[in-house]
Amino acid sequence: AQKVTQAQTEISVVEKEDVTLDCVYETRDTTYYLFWYKQPPSGELVFLIRRNSFDEQNEISGRYSWNFQKSTSSFNFTITASQVVDSAVYFCALRVNQGGKLIFGQGTELSVKP
Amino acid sequence: EPEVTQTPSHQVTQMGQEVILRCVPISNHLYFYWYRQILGQKVEFLVSFYNNEISEKSEIFDDQFSVERPDGSNFTLKIRSTKLEDSAMYFCASRVDSYSNQPQHFGDGTRLSIL
Repeated sequence: AQKVTQAQTEISVVEKEDVTLDCVYETRDTTYYLFWYKQPPSGELVFLIRRNSFDEQNEISGRYSWNFQKSTSSFNFTITASQVVDSAVYFCALRVNQGGKLIFGQGTELSVKP
Repeated sequence: EPEVTQTPSHQVTQMGQEVILRCVPISNHLYFYWYRQILGQKVEFLVSFYNNEISEKSEIFDDQFSVERPDGSNFTLKIRSTKLEDSAMYFCASRVDSYSNQPQHFGDGTRLSIL
């Protein structure tokens, strides 16, 4: 069975701090895809980043970076120099099959205070 | 940039009534999905739809639920006899195809309130 765990329920930081959101996934499939979505207070789901199981290169995109480690089944997401507008719930999600359904974690509520 | 659109944004319905939630996926996308999110909880998969038929459904998607693509653009979710526990945010999503790592693009959701 597939599962995504986000152990951090809530995180609170002060503006300009770096913050890392943890995600651990479970799957027996060898090919899978991992995603991070942001859900601001307005409620929509916004795609942020994705990673393939066969590509462990970690990347940086603007203030976002991610650390994918197959050995520990983790896909952590870091926001550098956080801003108040980053306040939202962040969901990690896993996709394994061709049908493509997403399996979401419980979400981490990030609060960035000025 | 093309986007998934959902209507209405908020639907209030009496328990036992039928409700239809509407979605217009991105035009060149081939896979369509419905998810729901009960307030304060995680997003849960309901059903996926491809080539005019259901490709996968979850345990939540029981006989009270149905999906349809009545024309070339709309994708609807029908709940036949709503229950209080159907109150949730319902998200529609679409994706280009199944053979890539392309993400699902979500609509802004329909908040369904059952009284």
